[in-house]
Amino acid sequence: KAGVTQTPRYLIKTRGQQVTLSCSPISGHRSVSWYQQTPGQGLQFLFEYFSETQRNKGNFPGRFSGRQFSNSRSEMNVSTLELGDSALYLCASSAGGRGWDTQYFGPGTRLTVL
Amino acid sequence: DQQVKQNSPSLSVQEGRISILNCDYTNSMFDYFLWYKKYPAEGPTFLISISSIKDKNEDGRFTVFLNKSAKHLSLHIVPSQPGDSAVYFCAARAGSSNTGKLIFGQGTTLQVKP
Repeated sequence: KAGVTQTPRYLIKTRGQQVTLSCSPISGHRSVSWYQQTPGQGLQFLFEYFSETQRNKGNFPGRFSGRQFSNSRSEMNVSTLELGDSALYLCASSAGGRGWDTQYFGPGTRLTVL
Repeated sequence: DQQVKQNSPSLSVQEGRISILNCDYTNSMFDYFLWYKKYPAEGPTFLISISSIKDKNEDGRFTVFLNKSAKHLSLHIVPSQPGDSAVYFCAARAGSSNTGKLIFGQGTTLQVKP
């Protein structure tokens, strides 16, 4: 079974621009979550989508948004980029059930904002 | 307010010996705990998990112990191998309604010396 895939792997943008990152979950997984990893803040939860609906949200500004499509693929968008948005953005997928569900991570997208 | 804490930023052990990585948490609503291993510029790889109804879970060389009264869990790796050298993250989930939302510790860098 293929793992979680993320595109692109690397991205360089300038302040004020916007960016869209893509994530394809493991086949059959219906939940997709996004995380931001920075050296100072560690791994922080952004949001989770399940069946095209946002199910959970972290403490990030509204510039960070996402969506999920009917095939469970998800995109994350960051508008009006700031220098502090430079980070590794990780996507994770899980079956989405209410039991002891395990999240599996993709390789991440390294975003650099200049 | 850091709900999941890994107080040791780094740990160094000799090949063949036991590695013990520790994690403390403050939120009594956490009911599921996971350990991930991460190499630089890659996504976290799932290692092992434990639900709050258990106090021990074992998978090959990896064992996780949970002490709910102390709000403490630990990951034991026996025997340690040089390939285990990586950053280890402890993560927790607060209830089945938050299956897609993990709270991570800051990570512990494990170095296994040959």
